Amino acid sequence: SQQGEEDPQALSIQEGENATMNCSYKTSINNLQWYRQNSGRGLVHLILIRSNEREKHSGRLRVTLDTSKKSSSLLITASRAADTASYFCAPADTGRRALTFGSGTRLQVQP
Amino acid sequence: DAGVTQSPTHLIKTRGQHVTLRCSPISGHKSVSWYQQVLGQGPQFIFQYYEKEERGRGNFPDRFSARQFPNYSSELNVNALLLGDSALYLCASSLTQVKLTDTQYFGPGTRLTVL
Repeated sequence: SQQGEEDPQALSIQEGENATMNCSYKTSINNLQWYRQNSGRGLVHLILIRSNEREKHSGRLRVTLDTSKKSSSLLITASRAADTASYFCAPADTGRRALTFGSGTRLQVQP
Repeated sequence: DAGVTQSPTHLIKTRGQHVTLRCSPISGHKSVSWYQQVLGQGPQFIFQYYEKEERGRGNFPDRFSARQFPNYSSELNVNALLLGDSALYLCASSLTQVKLTDTQYFGPGTRLTVL
């Protein structure tokens, strides 16, 4: 299935540091989306990057996409304690009806 | 504007019982999807409804069913509950039929515990 696999599974950093999370997938995609989930709550859409884009920015977020390597990365700069959450990538192809998620990266930002 | 709303927030049931979960999409959104998220894993797709018709189904048993109403709200029904059905059930809405170019907006979820 077209499921993203996030790496690392867990990440602990100090406030102010940058956090980088990676996502790998297996087949060709139309776009790839990143979501954040605070503990036990709903997912919040962060950013969508299309297959013909290589990099996208949104505030402190920077997403890259390398379709030749079938991988994406999410960089959070100048992290804050409020960034503590699980982060999921969802690679998407137009042949499917739903997003598929991996197990996510659990980010802990220490104040 | 209100986001996606789900009810109830929490629910405790016993094995063998039936449960109904409810979801109201963002105003103007016509597509609703349901996901199940067990502890420590990512959400898994259950159903997608668009314009009151089922448009997609994940790998879940027939004990799971859903429907969408004329106002685009949706219900997820689970019969003969098993311990393994304990999970966070998430509802997501999007503007159109999900072609995966549309952003999906998730509700806060319903936490179901089966004892």
